[in-house]
Amino acid sequence: ENVLTQSPTFQSGAPKETVTITCRASQSVGSSLHWYQQRPGQSPKLLIKYTSQSFSGVPSRFSGSGSGTDFTLTISGLEAEDAATYYCHQTSTLPQTFGQGTTVEIK
Amino acid sequence: QVQLHQWGAGVLKPSETLSLTCGVSDGSFSGYPWFWIRQPPGKGLEWIGRFTHTGSTDYNPSLKNRVTISIDTSKNHFSLEMTSVTAADTAMYYCATLRGAAADDGLDVWGQGTMVIVS
Repeated sequence: ENVLTQSPTFQSGAPKETVTITCRASQSVGSSLHWYQQRPGQSPKLLIKYTSQSFSGVPSRFSGSGSGTDFTLTISGLEAEDAATYYCHQTSTLPQTFGQGTTVEIK
Repeated sequence: QVQLHQWGAGVLKPSETLSLTCGVSDGSFSGYPWFWIRQPPGKGLEWIGRFTHTGSTDYNPSLKNRVTISIDTSKNHFSLEMTSVTAADTAMYYCATLRGAAADDGLDVWGQGTMVIVS
């Protein structure tokens, strides 16, 4: 299966700071890489689809980039509500797989 | 916007069968795939499998022999069955779907989750 490795596992940032999370795939996924936010006690929510397309209603401070095996989620200007765990998800090959998650803490 | 509401037994004994159901608010089964994903306590997400828009199923090989995903269009719901559960199957189980045009789109609709404990 295609293993997705996220880094870092944990990141702390002050309000208004920029945070970057990376996701590396063991095999190329093309652009079929999506990002989710999961707040404590909630279901995951789609943020970015196909590497860089913002899902409807997602604040513009969230952006994605990359291709092939290396991808990035950037939060430009952290807000308190961004405290959550973020997951990447590849849909290029079966079984679909998720990264192990990156927890973002707001200082 | 379609909503998913899930239900099922939350506590099982080892070797029993897990059975969860996910109701689809607008009954819009045609043309969409239906997924189950799980999350052990304090851990990440694991893809269990899907019922595709063409009527076929795909399962995670790590679970394949124990899992069945089915849909019942007359009742507006889809289901997950997992046989011979063990403590390792203790997790929050989510149903999900996508409203995008392509089968490899991101999952934009999720159920509220059902915690299943095997003990």
